[in-house]
Amino acid sequence: DAGVIQSPRHEVTEMGQEVTLRCKPISGHDYLFWYRQTMMRGLELLIYFNNNVPIDDSGMPEDRFSAKMPNASFSTLKIQPSEPRDSAVYFCASTLGTEETQYFGPGTRLLVL
Amino acid sequence: KQEVTQIPAALSVPEGENLVLNCSFTDSAIYNLQWFRQDPGKGLTSLLLIQSSQREQTSGRLNASLDKSSGRSTLYIAASQPGDSATYLCAPTGSARQLTFGSGTQLTVLP
Repeated sequence: DAGVIQSPRHEVTEMGQEVTLRCKPISGHDYLFWYRQTMMRGLELLIYFNNNVPIDDSGMPEDRFSAKMPNASFSTLKIQPSEPRDSAVYFCASTLGTEETQYFGPGTRLLVL
Repeated sequence: KQEVTQIPAALSVPEGENLVLNCSFTDSAIYNLQWFRQDPGKGLTSLLLIQSSQREQTSGRLNASLDKSSGRSTLYIAASQPGDSATYLCAPTGSARQLTFGSGTQLTVLP
């Protein structure tokens, strides 16, 4: 398996623009997680899905952030409008409920100018 | 809310030394605990997972212990090598599969 795939790997955008981050989990995994990593706050869970259904979005910072999982092999995290404080590395991870180990993608490095 | 503390924040050792990284967490009602490694500019790689019912888990030169009742875990690295240089992150898992991460220990192994 290719592992968790994220795109784009790097994104530079201007404040106010819409940003869409994409994730393809490992085939067969039933949990998908979105994390954000910054120097100030470390790694934080934003939202996670089980069988494509959002379970806990309490980590989503505000209404500008939204996430969807239309099917078992694809998820998006959208920021609209983006702000400079959204600059961070965004990671997607997946796991098979019975195995527990979370496998992380390489991350998307976002810079909002 | 789970809070995770990792000590030390940074550690520099000469090659060949054995070392211990410490992790403490406030909520002992965890499902399991994972140790990850993160190289600069890269994603996270899972090193070891200890189930809540286990006390210890080993993989090669790595050994992780878990004392759930006291909210502590340690990662022991034997015979350290320069390739072990990375940031090591501890993450207990809640019952709903959510991970809470510590801020990590940045390890440098000097040749």
